[in-house]
Amino acid sequence: NAGVTQTPKFRVLKTGQSMTLLCAQDMNHEYMYWYRQDPGMGLRLIHYSVGEGTTAKGEVPDGYNVSRLKKQNFLLGLESAAPSQTSVYFCASSTRTSASTDTQYFGPGTRLTVL
Amino acid sequence: AQSVTQLDSQVPVFEEAPVELRCNYSSSVSVYLFWYVQYPNQGLQLLLKYLSGSTLVKGINGFEAEFNKSQTSFHLRKPSVHISDTAEYFCAVSGEGNKLVFGAGTILRVKS
Repeated sequence: NAGVTQTPKFRVLKTGQSMTLLCAQDMNHEYMYWYRQDPGMGLRLIHYSVGEGTTAKGEVPDGYNVSRLKKQNFLLGLESAAPSQTSVYFCASSTRTSASTDTQYFGPGTRLTVL
Repeated sequence: AQSVTQLDSQVPVFEEAPVELRCNYSSSVSVYLFWYVQYPNQGLQLLLKYLSGSTLVKGINGFEAEFNKSQTSFHLRKPSVHISDTAEYFCAVSGEGNKLVFGAGTILRVKS
């Protein structure tokens, strides 16, 4: 049982390049989330999904797209990377037994640098 | 809308001393509160959570937190810290759709 895994762990991009971050979970969780973590700002929600085939915007969605084609995977895409997207990205998942009270389980993070 | 304020960005403390990490929240709906811990170069993991019932919540690694509705606070405490407690601690409040709103984090530095 690997929990939540993220690929890649590190990445350096040039401005304007694109990339996709992959999140996978093996806990059969319905909900999945993408956050970014910046110094002094905590974690901010980018996009989330409440089930396979559904996605929704979070607090800071601009410049990102997501897809949830399979229940276990949640992809985060950057179409044209900008230096402001330099951050650590975390994926998380949770069950749907009680929407507001469930524990979220986090992946180890992806450190992205945009030059 | 929910929001969380962590009152200290860094807390230095000597090993075996007690520590309190402060968290204040605002919420217009039912309150569910969480503390997560992030060890260096790792993801976040749940330390404890308050859903209802007793206002004193016990978590892993000897941590506990007290929910105070009148002061809108959820401070985290440990009576005696270890070097291994060095980490960043995040307070969070649950909003609609199980969306967590995080505070900015408090770095706990335990010194020997």
